[in-house]
Amino acid sequence: QVQLVESGGGVVQPGRSLSLSCAASGFTFSRYAMHWVRQAPGKGLEWLAVIWYDGNYKYYADSAKGRFIISRDNSKNTLHLQMNSLRAEDTAVYYCARDVGSSWIDRFDVWGQGALVTVSS
Amino acid sequence: EVVLTQSPATLSLSPGEGATLSCRASQSVSSYLAWYQQKPGQAPRLLIYDASKRATGVPARFSGSGSGTDFTLTISSLEPEDFAVYYCQQRSDWPPLTFGGGTKVEIK
Repeated sequence: QVQLVESGGGVVQPGRSLSLSCAASGFTFSRYAMHWVRQAPGKGLEWLAVIWYDGNYKYYADSAKGRFIISRDNSKNTLHLQMNSLRAEDTAVYYCARDVGSSWIDRFDVWGQGALVTVSS
Repeated sequence: EVVLTQSPATLSLSPGEGATLSCRASQSVSSYLAWYQQKPGQAPRLLIYDASKRATGVPARFSGSGSGTDFTLTISSLEPEDFAVYYCQQRSDWPPLTFGGGTKVEIK
């Protein structure tokens, strides 16, 4: 079945880095744009970044620009989010989500279960 | 940035009652609006896209309407599994893609 599974979450100190991965299965990963969306505890959803199907274009929210890097490895059906200079306000559940589009934005039709990132000393 | 304002923040209703959720955009988003349902501890689930199209497998009791700046998600008769938080999201003007703050539908 179509599935996204995030990994790499955990507790990290402020200022440090963390990398999240999202393993895709059950569909042709290389045909779809992919997103990262996060949700702080008890809060709403915040879009972070999107990467086109071929990895050639990436777009970021201001909160992610300059600190987070989205990437993908289509040979391994995996999406990544490299997070640097982490702050307490980055504490959240991080979701990867599939877009129906490949090189355009449409809708998030498949979501992972989420990975919790806690930034704390 | 397009700001989406959802109202009310909380809706207290009984099973079998109808629910009307509102999403207002700070500028026109045409029909490029989606609705998602999120239950505690779960990922969001796509319900409605392009303002009024039901996603695959979504029951017919869910319907969406609106265009421009004003949108509505209607649940015709609440089932026990419908008590959740609902988010609207626009894709008209990005980056960033933006979500509303959510409406919680709770059991009265």
